[in-house]
Amino acid sequence: DAGVIQSPRHEVTEMGQEVTLRCKPISGHNSLFWYRQTMMRGLELLIYFNNNVPIDDSGMPEDRFSAKMPNASFSTLKIQPSEPRDSAVYFCASSLTGEAYEQYFGPGTRLTVT
Amino acid sequence: DAKTTQPPSMDCAEGRAANLPCNHSTISGNEYVYWYRQIHSQGPQYIIHGLKNNETNEMASLIITEDRKSSTLILPHATLRDTAVYYCIVRVANFGNEKLTFGTGTRLTIIP
Repeated sequence: DAGVIQSPRHEVTEMGQEVTLRCKPISGHNSLFWYRQTMMRGLELLIYFNNNVPIDDSGMPEDRFSAKMPNASFSTLKIQPSEPRDSAVYFCASSLTGEAYEQYFGPGTRLTVT
Repeated sequence: DAKTTQPPSMDCAEGRAANLPCNHSTISGNEYVYWYRQIHSQGPQYIIHGLKNNETNEMASLIITEDRKSSTLILPHATLRDTAVYYCIVRVANFGNEKLTFGTGTRLTIIP
């Protein structure tokens, strides 16, 4: 298996622009997680889905952030409009429900907003 | 979920056993201990987990004290590739609680 796939790996954008991050979970996994990592705040869970349904989005910082999972093999995290403080590494992870202790992380997307 | 305390950094000589401590004195009976690590510029990687018995897999061993208030992750023969930040996480494992809350972890440096 190719593991969790994220794209793009790097994104540089200007403040105010829309940013879309993409994730393909491991085939057969039915839980998907979006995390953000910064030096100041560490690794934070933003939202997670189970069977394509958002279960907990309490970590989503504000209305500028939205996440969707239209099917079992694809999810997006969108920031509109982006701000410099959104600069971070965004990780996607997937797991089997009931085995969420073993989350498999993707390589991350490094986002820089100027 | 119970709070964990880890030393911010540790060094270990290559080839020696690396012992990483974690304090979780407020752990409750149904909370598991999980260990992840994050190698520089990569996503975190699951290592091992346990409830109250000691556990071992191909990567590491997990020793949990009898009162469950602390645990130790042991990398038996550390290599340079084990240099990473190691996270100890405590959480209840049940459906509907899929969250992992990462703290600041221990930065382990393996010295040649």
